[in-house]
Amino acid sequence: GAVVSQHPSWVICKSGTSVKIECRSLDFQATTMFWYRQFPKQSLMLMATSNEGSKATYEQGVEKDKFLINHASLTLSTLTVTSAHPEDSSFYICSASSDRDNQPQHFGDGTRLSIL
Amino acid sequence: AQSVAQPEDQVNVAEGNPLTVKCTYSVSGNPYLFWYVQYPNRGLQFLLKYITGDNLVKGSYGFEAEFNKSQTSFHLKKPSALVSDSALYFCAVRDEGSGGYQKVTFGTGTKLQVIP
Repeated sequence: GAVVSQHPSWVICKSGTSVKIECRSLDFQATTMFWYRQFPKQSLMLMATSNEGSKATYEQGVEKDKFLINHASLTLSTLTVTSAHPEDSSFYICSASSDRDNQPQHFGDGTRLSIL
Repeated sequence: AQSVAQPEDQVNVAEGNPLTVKCTYSVSGNPYLFWYVQYPNRGLQFLLKYITGDNLVKGSYGFEAEFNKSQTSFHLKKPSALVSDSALYFCAVRDEGSGGYQKVTFGTGTKLQVIP
């Protein structure tokens, strides 16, 4: 149980394009989803927290107009990197958590984004 | 505020030997503690958690962790290491009273290398 699917796994695209990453909870309702960015050999950097049906809460220093997050349902959140540039290249990971207070976050397998 | 420290960037252990990956935490209330493992180019996999109850928590793949309130530690252990245990390990903490968003703080990660 508690499976989170993240798609796509790899994206390579030209500078200036927008890229959408999907995160789905397959067998539970995710009232809260988290988006992280991970640089090589570094820990996870929380970008934003989203709750179903409401606006995402962005961490300090994360551009909300650059990284658009939509949490339209209890099983789907999307992250859109708008007008991507090479410095946006990174490993993006989503996680999802149910409404139960002491449950762990369950992670997707991540998306490797490379902007040329 | 909550924080977690993993003092070792890397731990090397011979196959068959016991392993320990260290974690200390700081929270204002009661801690919820988690361990995750990450394999290359993958998301994080949940190993175990401590919420309340017995200080020794057993988790996936033969791992266990010991909660020590006086030392504010939650070290990850395994009696006999396998080469396949080689991966990046993250400790995470959340304050019991931190609210409905369940935002956790991750450590910087410890790379475990099991030597055949």
